[in-house]
Amino acid sequence: RKEVEQDPGPFNVPEGATVAFNCTYSNSASQSFFWYRQDCRKEPKLLMSVYSSGNEDGRFTAQLNRASQYISLLIRDSKLSDSATYLCVVNSVPSNYQLIWGAGTKLIIKP
Amino acid sequence: DTEVTQTPKHLVMGMTNKKSLKCEQHMGHRAMYWYKQKAKKPPELMFVYSYEKLSINESVPSRFSPECPNSSLLNLHLHALQPEDSALYLCASSQERADEQYFGPGTRLTVT
Repeated sequence: RKEVEQDPGPFNVPEGATVAFNCTYSNSASQSFFWYRQDCRKEPKLLMSVYSSGNEDGRFTAQLNRASQYISLLIRDSKLSDSATYLCVVNSVPSNYQLIWGAGTKLIIKP
Repeated sequence: DTEVTQTPKHLVMGMTNKKSLKCEQHMGHRAMYWYKQKAKKPPELMFVYSYEKLSINESVPSRFSPECPNSSLLNLHLHALQPEDSALYLCASSQERADEQYFGPGTRLTVT
């Protein structure tokens, strides 16, 4: 089993729709969780940190489910500019400097 | 300001060349990282510096040599690379361990 698993997609979604991604992680001791987005041939950019209480930033909502060991990302009212690859990232235990990266989920928003 | 800068943006080098990649951050972060990323793959960690000391070396070949001259600068010295080393090389920094990492725009390296 991979340490961090994501559905690679692509998810083809019409503009304005709501889309959700899940990501599962294997180490129950992990403490830090993040979503990054990466555009083609660009660097990853931090989208959101994921807290135990959940996190919302505009159209984006992230949730953590420790019991089932997954994190989720919900995008409401999707825009064409949301097209990107979304990477789920979890800190490595015990070495907290290392982040374990999922392979990414590709999202394509269609007009 | 969450800015990490990297130079050069693009680099083409032969297998016998020696070159260096540079990274700078002015956020006062104490940890800096080098990653390698191949197309359609997630970033792979190469090195971590914490408080200017090398704390993690992910079994990277010796043809890659990191250097941290001070808390704001990180270099990656390249020598005798192979064509399979062609990739996007990303620098990142974070305040402390397990914190969010902020990435520079990367250096796209081609080894001929």
